[in-house]
Amino acid sequence: QKEVEQNSGPLSVPEGAIASLNCTYSDRVSQSFFWYRQYSGKSPELIMSIYSNGDKEDGRFTAQLNKASQYVSLLIRDSQPSDSATYLCAVNTGNQFYFGTGTSLTVIP
Amino acid sequence: SAVISQKPSRDICQRGTSLTIQCQVDSQVTMMFWYRQQPGQSLTLIATANQGSEATYESGFVIDKFPISRPNLTFSTLTVSNMSPEDSSIYLCSVEGSAASQRVFGSGTQLSVL
Repeated sequence: QKEVEQNSGPLSVPEGAIASLNCTYSDRVSQSFFWYRQYSGKSPELIMSIYSNGDKEDGRFTAQLNKASQYVSLLIRDSQPSDSATYLCAVNTGNQFYFGTGTSLTVIP
Repeated sequence: SAVISQKPSRDICQRGTSLTIQCQVDSQVTMMFWYRQQPGQSLTLIATANQGSEATYESGFVIDKFPISRPNLTFSTLTVSNMSPEDSSIYLCSVEGSAASQRVFGSGTQLSVL
């Protein structure tokens, strides 16, 4: 079982829609959770951090964490073509930092 | 968060040669991390570099293949030695972010080995 699992996609949404990206993790002691955006040929860019159960909103992005279900999600509202990228979920267990394989998102104009 | 400069940004190299990648941070950091991202894959940690001590390598990575230097608190290099096409990847330097639990990345080095 991988430490962090994501649906690789591709996920396609029309411009203006909500994109929903999901991630599950295996280590119950994980404390810190992150979403990175990676454009093709570029390095990952940290866009959201979440540390406690519930929702955290930052502009058009909302991260959701459910530790009981070991589940993290990222919602992108009013999706734009510029949001087209691969989104990596990452988890810090305190001892190790694990990345998922990423979900490819395409926003169709 | 720290700003990380990495160079070269890309290179095309011949089999059997070596490439040294440089990573410069705009602030002093205790730990620097080197990652590899093979095509279509996620990030894999190669090693952690602390200033003044030998780098700590992850399983599957060895110092002879990926020697690392860490001469001060703002700079590190990773060398990819005796390259083969399987070494074609993006190599990323990383440091802790504004919170110690975070990771932020340099611009990356896209390496192609022919």
